[in-house]
Amino acid sequence: ETGVTQSPTHLIKTRGQQVTLRCSSQSGHNTVSWYQQALGQGPQFIFQYYREEENGRGNFPPRFSGLQFPNYSSELNVNALELDDSALYLCASSSGAEQYFGPGTRLTVT
Amino acid sequence: AQKVTQAQTEISVVEKEDVTLDCVYETRDTTYYLFWYKQPPSGELVFLIRRNSFDEQNEISGRYSWNFQKSTSSFNFTITASQVVDSAVYFCALTTDSWGKFQFGAGTQVVVTP
Repeated sequence: ETGVTQSPTHLIKTRGQQVTLRCSSQSGHNTVSWYQQALGQGPQFIFQYYREEENGRGNFPPRFSGLQFPNYSSELNVNALELDDSALYLCASSSGAEQYFGPGTRLTVT
Repeated sequence: AQKVTQAQTEISVVEKEDVTLDCVYETRDTTYYLFWYKQPPSGELVFLIRRNSFDEQNEISGRYSWNFQKSTSSFNFTITASQVVDSAVYFCALTTDSWGKFQFGAGTQVVVTP
């Protein structure tokens, strides 16, 4: 186990709703990254937080937003859910170039 | 722009056969890091190996080995004497950022049958 935890494990939402996903980073890691992995594809970088500040963003619209807390845990918020947002959302914490991934949250939008 | 290409969609082998996974990357940066991750059906990405752009030494770690060649921008990964537990999707990833921000390939599904 990597020490990175995510909640919830699974989630079903309706199009147009909002969702919050949570991630607890590995002890001592001050950087958290979020990835979206659609079925059958590789993970796509959403954004990264370093010491509570956004530190880079991938090609995702503003309705994808995040937060990092003083204890370095993090949230991913998605507003106005679309069917294409259905995916596995992975959180990774890092210290240096090595990233350790959590088990992911499977989001289904109906 | 960075790009990682894993041309093999799926590889099927019988247990004890060797499996080699191909990865070709593109980046204009001179400093970068390459990774291989394994994703079993449970979904969690498991770190396997890392190489930085200044170290082309190829190594063996247990049943895993890798072949990093900057001249051809390739970072291939081999599982020797495959086992059923090796069945998973394997991802090659590239980052030029020392804090992550990976570019992943599309993955290669490895199926090992008894």
